[in-house]
Amino acid sequence: QKEVEQDPGPLSVPEGAIVSLNCTYSNSAFQYFMWYRQYSRKGPELLMYTYSSGNKEDGRFTAQVDKSSKYISLFIRDSQPSDSATYLCAMSGSSNTDKLIFGTGTRLQVFP
Amino acid sequence: DAEITQSPRHKITETGRQVTLACHQTWNHNNMFWYRQDLGHGLRLIHYSYGVQDTNKGEVSDGYSVSRSNTEDLPLTLESAASSQTSVYFCASMNGQAGRYGYTFGSGTRLTVV
Repeated sequence: QKEVEQDPGPLSVPEGAIVSLNCTYSNSAFQYFMWYRQYSRKGPELLMYTYSSGNKEDGRFTAQVDKSSKYISLFIRDSQPSDSATYLCAMSGSSNTDKLIFGTGTRLQVFP
Repeated sequence: DAEITQSPRHKITETGRQVTLACHQTWNHNNMFWYRQDLGHGLRLIHYSYGVQDTNKGEVSDGYSVSRSNTEDLPLTLESAASSQTSVYFCASMNGQAGRYGYTFGSGTRLTVV
């Protein structure tokens, strides 16, 4: 079993829809949770960052962490065609030598 | 502005040849990483370094090597290229705690081994 599981999609939604992207994990030592966005033929870029449990909002994006369920989510409101990309979750423990562990990514397509 | 650059962007090579992919960062980051990205597998860690003269194997290191002679560069060498090494390769760097700051990625090198 992988440490981080992510549905690869693809997920296809109409413009304006609310999108929910999710990851589950098995390592209870994870404390930091991130979402990266990767456009086609580009490198991943950090989108959202959350520490421990709770919600964090940034414009149309909300990151949610439920450590009791080992489940994290990224919600995109009023989705736009420019949101079409692959979204990767990533997580890490609190040690300086801990590396980021990535999900495999979910491909999202927002059509006009 | 600080940046992380990979070269070349695209490379076609023949089976059995030695190939080196370059990664150069001007962030002054101590930690650097090489990943390959393939459909169905996501990002897989090849090698990483926590500083000059430090190198470590990742989960898919067979057939690859790295060396770190300065802070800015971590070249990735494929000793004898194989078709299974056709992939997109990403370099990343960071300082401090991975969870607090995340990685900064390069734009990738698309390698085809024929």
